[in-house]
Amino acid sequence: DAGITQSPRHKVTETGTPVTLRCHQTENHRYMYWYRQDPGHGLRLIHYSYGVKDTDKGEVSDGYSVSRSKTEDFLLTLESATSSQTSVYFCAIRGGPTVNEKLFFGSGTQLSVL
Amino acid sequence: DQQVKQNSPSLSVQEGRISILNCDYTNSMFDYFLWYKKYPAEGPTFLISISSIKDKNEDGRFTVFLNKSAKHLSLHIVPSQPGDSAVYFCAASGSQGGSEKLVFGKGTKLTVNP
Repeated sequence: DAGITQSPRHKVTETGTPVTLRCHQTENHRYMYWYRQDPGHGLRLIHYSYGVKDTDKGEVSDGYSVSRSKTEDFLLTLESATSSQTSVYFCAIRGGPTVNEKLFFGSGTQLSVL
Repeated sequence: DQQVKQNSPSLSVQEGRISILNCDYTNSMFDYFLWYKKYPAEGPTFLISISSIKDKNEDGRFTVFLNKSAKHLSLHIVPSQPGDSAVYFCAASGSQGGSEKLVFGKGTKLTVNP
């Protein structure tokens, strides 16, 4: 299994509070991704990173920010959580830029915003 | 605008029979296609892929077929086993979207009955 750890695995928070989800990898992979999975929507890309301090937006980036200060860590922050951000969040890593390099996913973080 | 469509949210088959999962895409620039499998409470895992230069790729019980003219691909599982019960995501990538990003469908939940 690829060395990806997401923390926390479960979180319940209140509307308006800041939340940070952490993705840690031990593979030294360059590319890291944050996806959210929702019923009826599948997997949607929030943000991704192609190197330390190099990040870009995905299709559902509003309300989210990311940071990558080290190769191994990619943080996803909800500045002010809303109920629409209740979801399962998956981190993924890839060694190279092309899809021939497989995407490996973490086990997910279940976030509930009340 | 959904670029990758999995129009069947669920599929139920008997053990030993063939499972056929379908996926349609709209972006003619997509040139690489993948299937991921997801069990509950786990992250998605790579299953099989196909490049647009091929029309078939086989890996054990799993075969993916690509019909470029119809912008359609399908995943065949023969014979189906109860352990194949999972959600299957179709994903696509291409030069227009940037090869570092995958676009996922909404998923099809496969249930294989003993």
